[in-house]
Amino acid sequence: DVKVTQSSRYLVKRTGEKVFLECVQDMDHENMFWYRQDPGLGLRLIYFSYDVKMKEKGDIPEGYSVSREKKERFSLILESASTNQTSMYLCASSSSGRSETQYFGPGTRLLVL
Amino acid sequence: RKEVEQDPGPFNVPEGATVAFNCTYSNSASQSFFWYRQDCRKEPKLLMSVYSSGNEDGRFTAQLNRASQYISLLIRDSKLSDSATYLCVVNKAAGNKLTFGGGTRVLVKP
Repeated sequence: DVKVTQSSRYLVKRTGEKVFLECVQDMDHENMFWYRQDPGLGLRLIYFSYDVKMKEKGDIPEGYSVSREKKERFSLILESASTNQTSMYLCASSSSGRSETQYFGPGTRLLVL
Repeated sequence: RKEVEQDPGPFNVPEGATVAFNCTYSNSASQSFFWYRQDCRKEPKLLMSVYSSGNEDGRFTAQLNRASQYISLLIRDSKLSDSATYLCVVNKAAGNKLTFGGGTRVLVKP
């Protein structure tokens, strides 16, 4: 079974703090993704990566950065958290051969006060 | 206009009944289509792919209408466990990015 894990299920941070969200997958997948999910807006792609040290902007990259130093790990960084970044953050991975099947982590619910 | 649009519902369905709902997409160049399922407070999971000729997976039937740019999902003999949000997903071009609709919530009641 594919397993995608995220470092925290719930996180509370203050405005202006630097926030790190970690994602690890154990299936040697090439592709990794970060989404945020908000009521009424669905899942929106923040950043994705096709390979180690590669990153590409998704639809809403502003206010975020990412890091992929190892194949199994993809980190999302909020340089200076703001209240409008309060959301559910979902990490996903897929293999290059079956890219339509994305496997998601359980999500991190982030509250920025 | 959103790239992938869905009726958010909820669709309240008696147990054992049939429910169907659609999803429209705006990019005529879209190549691949899928339905994902998301249970309350859980992560999305792939339910089924949608093929041009239509396809079934048990009680679930998916159809694609390229001319009108919509896909549909039909659930027969609804079970309580079918209660979930169903996400319409489109792959615009060859590659790894997927675009998700906002989801259609289905509530199956006894």
